[in-house]
Amino acid sequence: EDKVVQSPLSLVVHEGDTVTLNCSYEVTNFRSLLWYKQEKKAPTFLFMLTSSGIEKKSGRLSSILDKKELFSILNITATQTGDSAVYLCAVKKGTGTASKLTFGTGTRLQVTL
Amino acid sequence: EAGVAQSPRYKIIEKRQSVAFWCNPISGHATLYWYQQILGQGPKLLIQFQNNGVVDDSQLPKDRFSAERLKGVDSTLKIQPAKLEDSAVYLCASSPTGVETQYFGPGTRLLVL
Repeated sequence: EDKVVQSPLSLVVHEGDTVTLNCSYEVTNFRSLLWYKQEKKAPTFLFMLTSSGIEKKSGRLSSILDKKELFSILNITATQTGDSAVYLCAVKKGTGTASKLTFGTGTRLQVTL
Repeated sequence: EAGVAQSPRYKIIEKRQSVAFWCNPISGHATLYWYQQILGQGPKLLIQFQNNGVVDDSQLPKDRFSAERLKGVDSTLKIQPAKLEDSAVYLCASSPTGVETQYFGPGTRLLVL
């Protein structure tokens, strides 16, 4: 059975801190790993990672994938209160119209003043 | 560009009642997904449509859940009869290509009492 495990489940930090969120997976027919931010209801796309060792970066957020060890990390530097959200990791398997995502349970991040 | 629309936004029903959710995807998006997100968990795919055909409904509890996408545009998801464990947020997403380019709607929060 496919598994996507995120850690920690929950995290509280002070504004300005740096955080690292983890995602490990066991999925057959792996294609890529995606990160989403979910503030209220609709997840919004952050990154898609397909190749090992290549960092994706967007502002204060960055992510990297290790296909040998089957995990990914999402880093947020200089956190702000607006970063408070649930961060979801999802793994894509299959191709074309048969492709599907398996989501982890998410990491709930709270950034306090 | 208008996003994915869903209605209602909230619904409270008693167990054994029936309920229906509606989704209008982004114009031109051939693929439509329905996800169930139980509190504290990641979204779980219930059913995927390609135009008006079903691609994957392997995790849809077919004894009580049904979905259709007539004319390959709007979609409805129905639960009949509802159980307490159906309390969740039901997310609709649409994509022009594959899962990696899907856009999520605001979701419908269902509470079954």
